[in-house]
Parts: sequence; structure tokens; C-alpha cells
Amino acid sequence: DGGITQSPKYLFRKEGQNVTLSCEQNLNHDAMYWYRQDPGQGLRLIYYSQIVNDFQKGDIAEGYSVSREKKESFPLTVTSAQKNPTAFYLCASRGGGQPQHFGDGTRLSIL
Amino acid sequence: RKEVEQDPGPFNVPEGATVAFNCTYSNSASQSFFWYRQDCRKEPKLLMSVYSSGNEDGRFTAQLNRASQYISLLIRDSKLSDSATYLCVVNRANDYKLSFGAGTTVTVRA
Repeated sequence: DGGITQSPKYLFRKEGQNVTLSCEQNLNHDAMYWYRQDPGQGLRLIYYSQIVNDFQKGDIAEGYSVSREKKESFPLTVTSAQKNPTAFYLCASRGGGQPQHFGDGTRLSIL
Repeated sequence: RKEVEQDPGPFNVPEGATVAFNCTYSNSASQSFFWYRQDCRKEPKLLMSVYSSGNEDGRFTAQLNRASQYISLLIRDSKLSDSATYLCVVNRANDYKLSFGAGTTVTVRA
């Protein structure tokens, strides 16, 4: 069954801690994306990757980092430099000009 | 000016009613258009793509007006299960990035 898997579903971060959100897809899509959604607001693009070993900053990349070592995987690290990390994080993938498919998200909160 | 703008609503309608709302986009080079549905605390899910000639999927009809740079979504015979936030998504040609509107909230009441 093809899809996008995000883990964990819920994550808690302590002050000064880096945390990594996982995103895996088996849709054979070239492009992958990370978005942040705050309550009552739209999606904001953090990073995206068009191809393995390449990625670009989105609109709100500060305090985040990513890697794309494999086509299937696009993990997002929320660093301690991100002072307001509490949000709903969504990973998406896209192939062949088709619409994006989303994972079911990770909710990150501060302890 | 935001690239994609939507009326946030909420649109509160009774079951069986018709509800319609628009989304405007600022970049005339936009080529692909989509409507996504997002339920509370869930991920967005594709509702339908929007084609130049307009298209229909059951009770949902999408239209594109390139001259005025907007797309619309019409829901006929509203069901309680149609209650959600509807996101407008726009893509420029040869651009991997998509632009999302902030969403229009629809609440269907019994």
C-alpha cells in the first residue's frame, strides 16, 4: 500500500534540545516537502527537495535542517535555534506534476 | 500581497444547501490548481484538481477563471460530513513549490 509515513505522531521537546521528525514515502516520488501549520493558519513551507542529495529553503527555514540521502526519506530536524517549535508538521511528496500527497503529520510540543 | 487568498469563512449552512466560495491567485503564470480538504487536526487530502474547462466530481464542482485569476468550489446538497476546511492550492509551471491558501472553513449543520 503506497503512501507517506510520518513518525512519531506526537513529540515533546525540552529546552535546548534538537529533535528529528521522520518522513518516509514508497510512492517513488522525486520531490518531498516539509510544512508547518499553526492553529487556525495555513501551511508554511520549511524545506523542499526536488531530488536526492539536494534541497532548498522554503519560507521559514530558520531553526530547521533537513537531509535527503535517500529518495524515500526526508527527515526534518527542529533545532534549539527554533524558539517557537510548537506546531503541526506535515510532510508531503509529489511526482510527475501530480498533486501533493501528505503524511498524517507530527504534533510537536514544548515540555 | 499573498500569492493565494481565500475567504476564511466560516460558511455555516444547513444540510442540503449549496455553498460556494472562491480563491484568488496573484501570479498569472500559475498553471495547476487543486482543492484540498482538511479535517480538524488531520492532514490535507486532495479533493479535486481544477481543469480549465471546469470539472465536477459528484456534488463538488470546480471552476477556473484565468482572466480574473480565481478558482471556485461549489458544494451541492451539503452533508454534515462536508464540514471541513477547504484549501486552495496553486502551482506555477515548472515550479516544484506549491502555494497554499489559508483555507475556507465550512460548517454544515443539521
